[in-house]
Formats: sequence, structure tokens, C-alpha cells
Amino acid sequence: SQKIEQNSEALNIQEGKTATLTCNYTNYSPAYLQWYRQDPGRGPVFLLLIRENEKEKRKERLKVTFDTTLKQSLFHITASQPADSATYLCALREATGANNLFFGTGTRLTVIP
Amino acid sequence: GAGVSQSPSNKVTEKGKDVELRCDPISGHTALYWYRQSLGQGLEFLIYFQGNSAPDKSGLPSDRFSAERTGGSVSTLTIQRTQQEDSAVYLCASSLGKNNEQFFGPGTRLTVL
Repeated sequence: SQKIEQNSEALNIQEGKTATLTCNYTNYSPAYLQWYRQDPGRGPVFLLLIRENEKEKRKERLKVTFDTTLKQSLFHITASQPADSATYLCALREATGANNLFFGTGTRLTVIP
Repeated sequence: GAGVSQSPSNKVTEKGKDVELRCDPISGHTALYWYRQSLGQGLEFLIYFQGNSAPDKSGLPSDRFSAERTGGSVSTLTIQRTQQEDSAVYLCASSLGKNNEQFFGPGTRLTVL
């Protein structure tokens, strides 16, 4: 069956450290993968997109990697801040051209001051 | 500019009643999605509208669910004869196209008693 798993439901990290979140997928052939941030009571907000032929993407303190052999994406936040505390969702679009994104269940990140 | 708006923000209804949820997408966005987010679950795709094309209804969980998009803008998701398992946050998103960044609304929290 198809699955998108984000390795931990919750992750606590000390301010200033690098947070690393994992997204693993099974039985999908992604065209690209996206990462979203979701705050309580709000809709998800798009952060980054990485295509299947890209290894790494960066945006300010954010870095995403994509390994199609391992079927895994890693999402890094460097120099983490308490304001980075939120739930982070990965989502993928299949290369088959399906209209929807398939979402993981998310990892709730807490950055401790 | 204005983002995606949804109404109502909260809806409490009794089992068996019909409910209508509204989404106002960003002006000019031709693609519109409805998702459902249940506690501890990832976002579940429900339906996709693209311009004047026939909608992709492949994610609707039962024939009690329907949606329409009038004039290529506002969309309404209707749930008939609501059941307790319909309780969730219903999220709407719009984008310039299928492969563009999705902008989400704040969601409607539906509680079926």
C-alpha cells in the first residue's frame, strides 16, 4: 500500500541547534515533493519544493534534500528559533499526473529557548 | 492582498443534518482543492477544480459529499446527512495551476454531535 511517513510525531530541540525532519514514502513515484508549515488553527503554508531530479534546495535557514533511491526527503532548519515551533508537513505529487498532493501526517517541532 | 477565506470557521451540527462549507479562493487562481484533516491524520484530498474542466471527485469519501464551484471562483462543499465520522477540519486551497504552490485557507472545523 502507499504510505508517506514522517518519522516522529513530535520533535523537541534546543534553540540554535539544527532540526532535521524526515519524510519517507512507499509505493509512490514522485514528480516532486513539497514541505509545508502549519500553525495551530491555521492552514498549511508552503515552504519549499524539490523535484525528483534535484538533490538539494535551500531557502534562508531551510534546506531540503531528496533521495529517490532511499525514497526519503530530509528537511533541515538551521539555527532554530522558538518561532520555528510548528507542525511541518511533507507532501508529494505523483509523476502519473494525479491532480492531488499526498500528505504525510506531520511532525510537531518545538524549539526550546 | 487577500488570501483564501473560508466560512464558517466553526460549525457544530447534529447527526443527520446537512452542512455547507464555503471557500473564497485567491482572485485569479484557476485551481481549487478541498482537503479534510482529522486528528492525527494527514490531509486527505477530497476534490479538485481546474478552470471550466470537469472536477476531479476521486477523493470524495461517499455520495453524501458534493462540491461545486460557481463562476470559476467561490466553492461550496456540501455534506448531506452528516455522520460523527465527518467531524474534521475541512481545508480549501487555491493555486494558479496544478503544479503551482497551493495557498490554504484557515479551515472550517466541523463537529457532528
